[in-house]
Amino acid sequence: NAGVMQNPRHLVRRRGQEARLRCSPMKGHSHVYWYRQLPEEGLKFMVYLQKENIIDESGMPKERFSAEFPKEGPSILRIQQVVRGDSAAYFCASSPDSRDTQYFGPGTRLTVL
Amino acid sequence: SQQGEEDPQALSIQEGENATMNCSYKTSINNLQWYRQNSGRGLVHLILIRSNEREKHSGRLRVTLDTSKKSSSLLITASRAADTASYFCATGLDGNNRLAFGKGNQVVVIP
Repeated sequence: NAGVMQNPRHLVRRRGQEARLRCSPMKGHSHVYWYRQLPEEGLKFMVYLQKENIIDESGMPKERFSAEFPKEGPSILRIQQVVRGDSAAYFCASSPDSRDTQYFGPGTRLTVL
Repeated sequence: SQQGEEDPQALSIQEGENATMNCSYKTSINNLQWYRQNSGRGLVHLILIRSNEREKHSGRLRVTLDTSKKSSSLLITASRAADTASYFCATGLDGNNRLAFGKGNQVVVIP
């Protein structure tokens, strides 16, 4: 049973470009969470999704950020018009149930030049 | 929103010694989880303790939870060099599995 997969592992973008981060949850997991980690800090919750539904997006910036988890395919975190402050590690986690352990992927490290 | 806070933030010990980390939180929780992160890597889940549990063991790990004091501790016994990592506690709110993480404990185990 493969773990949570994220790609790309490293992403470099220039200011103003778009960044797309992908997350494939563990098999059998229908709950997906995105977190952001700035250097030397803990993870901050961004958004919680189930298939085709956004359950909680209270941690998402109001502008430029969006997330989806379609019926087929991976969950996507999209950042439009990136700025240097978006540089961070973005982690995806999945769980089989809303009250169960969350298993994390290896993360995508976004660098904005 | 609540946030776990680990104490101490940095710990350096000799191989074979025990390492203890503490975490406090502010509101009612459904569960508390501990994770390990090696430098530049993803998070590895270590242990989950539910709000109605007081102590839990997993191999060389021992976690306690005191809901009256809103605190938890993680004990690593007989530490190894491979235990060198950052350790985070994360709390899951009741009815909501959004995790709130602390800033982490950096543990260095000297061979």
